[in-house]
Amino acid sequence: DTGVSQDPRHKITKRGQNVTFRCDPISEHNRLYWYRQTLGQGPEFLTYFQNEAQLEKSRLLSDRFSAERPKGSFSTLEIQRTEQGDSAMYLCASSRQNQPQHFGDGTRLSIL
Amino acid sequence: QKEVEQNSGPLSVPEGAIASLNCTYSDRGSQSFFWYRQYSGKSPELIMFIYSNGDKEDGRFTAQLNKASQYVSLLIRDSQPSDSATYLCAVLTGNQFYFGTGTSLTVIP
Repeated sequence: DTGVSQDPRHKITKRGQNVTFRCDPISEHNRLYWYRQTLGQGPEFLTYFQNEAQLEKSRLLSDRFSAERPKGSFSTLEIQRTEQGDSAMYLCASSRQNQPQHFGDGTRLSIL
Repeated sequence: QKEVEQNSGPLSVPEGAIASLNCTYSDRGSQSFFWYRQYSGKSPELIMFIYSNGDKEDGRFTAQLNKASQYVSLLIRDSQPSDSATYLCAVLTGNQFYFGTGTSLTVIP
């Protein structure tokens, strides 16, 4: 069990640029979640996959955000035309169905 | 109304004391409940989960669930300075996990 892996750990980019993050879940976990967390807040749900299917997406999620999990293994989260307000820690978590989630170390995004 | 509410603290307890952390949730249909510990700048780490009413103990940690009152708590016995962190309550409702804002705990040596 190598745990949930996220890449990169840190990303600094200029406003208006596109960024893509990767998450590799624990291998036997069929569920994968993306969250965003800002200082002093709990993780905020963004989207969730069961295998390769994206089953839920937060109503608060802008159209600039898109996520994929093409083969039911790793997932990517892309943010297009980044804005200052996108600065946050982006967390990925995986689980078996209805079992506890395990989080990766996160990707910290800073928008200049 | 937020799905999950926690007192943000900070909560300070002396070393060796019992720390009590509380959480309420709004959806009676929520089925599973989790406590995570998060150190500053790190990702959340699972401590405990509980599905049924009553108490569940694991070492120095005890989770308590009261579904009628929509209340879940975490007790940390013999608190250590290394327990100083933010504790997040999470609730599984349907297929979605909802998190509280966390309670900051400081254990004073």
